[in-house]
Parts: sequence; structure tokens; C-alpha cells
Amino acid sequence: ETGVTQTPRHLVMGMTNKKSLKCEQHLGHNAMYWYKQSAKKPLELMFVYSLEERVENNSVPSRFSPECPNSSHLFLHLHTLQPEDSALYLCASSWGTGELFFGEGSRLTVL
Amino acid sequence: GESVGLHLPTLSVQEGDNSIINCAYSNSASDYFIWYKQESGKGPQFIIDIRSNMDKRQGQRVTVLLNKTVKHLSLQIAATQPGDSAVYFCAENLGDNFNKFYFGSGTKLNVKP
Repeated sequence: ETGVTQTPRHLVMGMTNKKSLKCEQHLGHNAMYWYKQSAKKPLELMFVYSLEERVENNSVPSRFSPECPNSSHLFLHLHTLQPEDSALYLCASSWGTGELFFGEGSRLTVL
Repeated sequence: GESVGLHLPTLSVQEGDNSIINCAYSNSASDYFIWYKQESGKGPQFIIDIRSNMDKRQGQRVTVLLNKTVKHLSLQIAATQPGDSAVYFCAENLGDNFNKFYFGSGTKLNVKP
């Protein structure tokens, strides 16, 4: 079983849809992250959760809503997205201030 | 935000040669750096890291050099193999409690057989 698992791997949604991305880590880490990866842009940090408490928002639009019910699970709820939100959304986890372990990503396309 | 940049967007090398990928960072307070490798369709994978109290660290076929004077980081890959073809990112961390890594835009490494 891989360390960080993301589902779905691919998602196509309309601008009026509501969907969620799921991330699960099996590494016993205490922090989880959402990053956005767009073409020709650096990875952008969206959210950081430490011990299930959000500690970083990074000015992300409210149409992205994270949820961290426990230290192993992280969700990104999506609603009324825009075409420019199409990107690869990467989940990562870490133990404290150590290295990030990434999942394979969820490729999102907004029509 | 922080600025982490890569000098070359694409690097082509012959199989068996050594590769050097460079990275400039802007925040002199950054104290932890990581190189990640990302293959097509996959998430970034940890290669090697280095803390600011070191200037060199070696792994298996990889070496990271840190020059704090000019805020420069490099990744050296020895005897480059086709499996090394990927995009390489450097990331810097201020070392605060929130573990925020700032990533560069990446260098694509093409290994020619």
C-alpha cells in the first residue's frame, strides 16, 4: 500500500458541480498538505493541517474548502470552480518539519 | 511569497554522463532544502535533502551542494540513466513550525540513450 493515496486520479467537472478530492496517508505523519500544480508554474501551497488543525490557508479562494477529520485523512471540497482551476492537485504528508511525502495527485479538469 | 528559481528549464544529457541541475533561492533565512523528482503522471518523489549547516551531502549517485553565500543549490547526478529522465524541483523551507516548502518551477532532464 502506497504511503499517500489520492482519489480520484482524474476528475472532470462542470462549473456548477460539487465534488471532493480525498487523500489518505498510511505513514503515521502528523501534518497534511494540499498543493496545486499548474502548467509552467511552481507548486503552490494551498492548505496545511497540523494535528488536524488548519495552520495555513495561503489566500485560497473559498470555492476550495479543506477538511481534515483525523491525522490520516484530508479532503478538498470543490464547488463552483472556474476553468482556470484545472490543475493537478497534490496531497502530501510529513512528520513535523521533515520532508514532504506526496501522493500521485488528482488531475482536475473544469469545463 | 518566496522565490525559488531554476536556471535551465530543460537539460539534455547523454546516458552515462553526469548531470548538474541548478537552483537559486532568495530567502537567506531558509535553512532546509530538498530536491524532488517528478516523473510523468506521478507525484514528486524525495531525492535528497540538506540543511543550512552543511554545504554538501551525498546519496546514491546524487550529490547536493549548497552555497549560502550566493544562495545557490545544485543537484549532481552521476552516470545519468534513462530512468533519471524527469522534472526536478528544488524546494526551500524557512524551518518554522508550519513546514512551508516553496518550490521552484522545475528543470526537465532528458537522458539520451
